[in-house]
Amino acid sequence: DGGITQSPKYLFRKEGQNVTLSCEQNLNHDAMYWYRQDPGQGLRLIYYSQIVNDFQKGDIAEGYSVSREKKESFPLTVTSAQKNPTAFYLCASSIGQGYSNQPQHFGDGTRLSIL
Amino acid sequence: QQQVKQSPQSLIVQKGGISIINCAYENTAFDYFPWYQQFPGKGPALLIAIRPDVSEKKEGRFTISFNKSAKQFSLHIMDSQPGDSATYFCAASIYSQTGANNLFFGTGTRLTVIP
Repeated sequence: DGGITQSPKYLFRKEGQNVTLSCEQNLNHDAMYWYRQDPGQGLRLIYYSQIVNDFQKGDIAEGYSVSREKKESFPLTVTSAQKNPTAFYLCASSIGQGYSNQPQHFGDGTRLSIL
Repeated sequence: QQQVKQSPQSLIVQKGGISIINCAYENTAFDYFPWYQQFPGKGPALLIAIRPDVSEKKEGRFTISFNKSAKQFSLHIMDSQPGDSATYFCAASIYSQTGANNLFFGTGTRLTVIP
């Protein structure tokens, strides 16, 4: 069954701690995305990657970092520099460059809270 | 700056009624307009999508109406059911052969269908 797997479902962060959210896809998609969702604000783009070993900042990249070493994986690290990390984090993927009308397919999210 | 503006923020409809959610955009280069449905604790799932060369697309009880001159599009849910209670997001993207094809999301509408 193809899809996007995010883990863990719930995560708690202590002050000054970095935490990493996992995102794995088996859809053979080139492009992957990370969004942050806060109540009443929709989805805001944190980082995106169009291809392995390449990624770009989205609208709210400060305090976050990513890597894209494998096509299937796009982990997100929430660093201690992110002062308001409590949110629902969503990972998505799409086919990639050169294709029009691409839907994005989403995982079921990770809810991050501060201890 | 919100690229896609969505209204209303919340909507309550009686079972069997019609739910209507509206979105507006400014960038005439947008060429793909999907709608996503999100249940609590889950990621958004693609519901229906339209391209600007058609004025209406229907899939079951869900219809997108598109008004290119007004730069508006809307989702109509006919015969609304309690199971349709969810948050709905409109989105828009621009095709680019070399670019990211990123989606710009509206802020969401929380629909509640009363039995």
